[in-house]
Amino acid sequence: SQTIHQWPATLVQPVGSPLSLECTVEGTSNPNLYWYRQAAGRGLQLLFYSVGIGQISSEVPQNLSASRPQDRQFILSSKKLLLSDSGFYLCAWVKYSGANVLTFGAGSRLTVL
Amino acid sequence: ILNVEQSPQSLHVQEGDSTNFTCSFPSSNFYALHWYRWETAKSPEALFVMTLNGDEKKKGRISATLNTKEGYSYLYIKGSQPEDSATYLCASQGNSGYALNFGKGTSLLVTP
Repeated sequence: SQTIHQWPATLVQPVGSPLSLECTVEGTSNPNLYWYRQAAGRGLQLLFYSVGIGQISSEVPQNLSASRPQDRQFILSSKKLLLSDSGFYLCAWVKYSGANVLTFGAGSRLTVL
Repeated sequence: ILNVEQSPQSLHVQEGDSTNFTCSFPSSNFYALHWYRWETAKSPEALFVMTLNGDEKKKGRISATLNTKEGYSYLYIKGSQPEDSATYLCASQGNSGYALNFGKGTSLLVTP
């Protein structure tokens, strides 16, 4: 069966510090991978998606970046965090494009102070 | 980006009540409409995905309908139970096929 792992679960970082959130999927190959964020009072916002190794599409310009160094690994990064980066980050995957539902990770709560 | 709107923002019902929520989405470039349930301290879990106008899906006491011509979907819960308490998210998927755009959700609280 497929599983998705996301870490760390919670993170408190000062403004200007770097960020690295990692997501891995097991039990499948060549998944589509996604990073979503829920900021306070807002809905889930798509940040990045990837359809293959090294292929990253950004939906919202910001100081975050994503990388997919391996087929089942998706990393969200920042060189310098802003207060507005605080939120709940969710990684998700789907096997194929089309009308297929996303499977989400447990999420990472980021607080930038 | 497809803008998805959900209403109401929150809802408080008594156990046994039936309830429904609305999701509206732009009908142009539509591919699929998803519903997810997001319980506190858990990950969002998929309820339904619908693609065709007039689609109806049902899972236990929960059902959903889709109108792609006018751009709305309804989620119904019959005989609400406390365990139904969660945020219900809908998401519209466009023709690109890669990304879902979510609404802000409807937060449901069912009290005994």
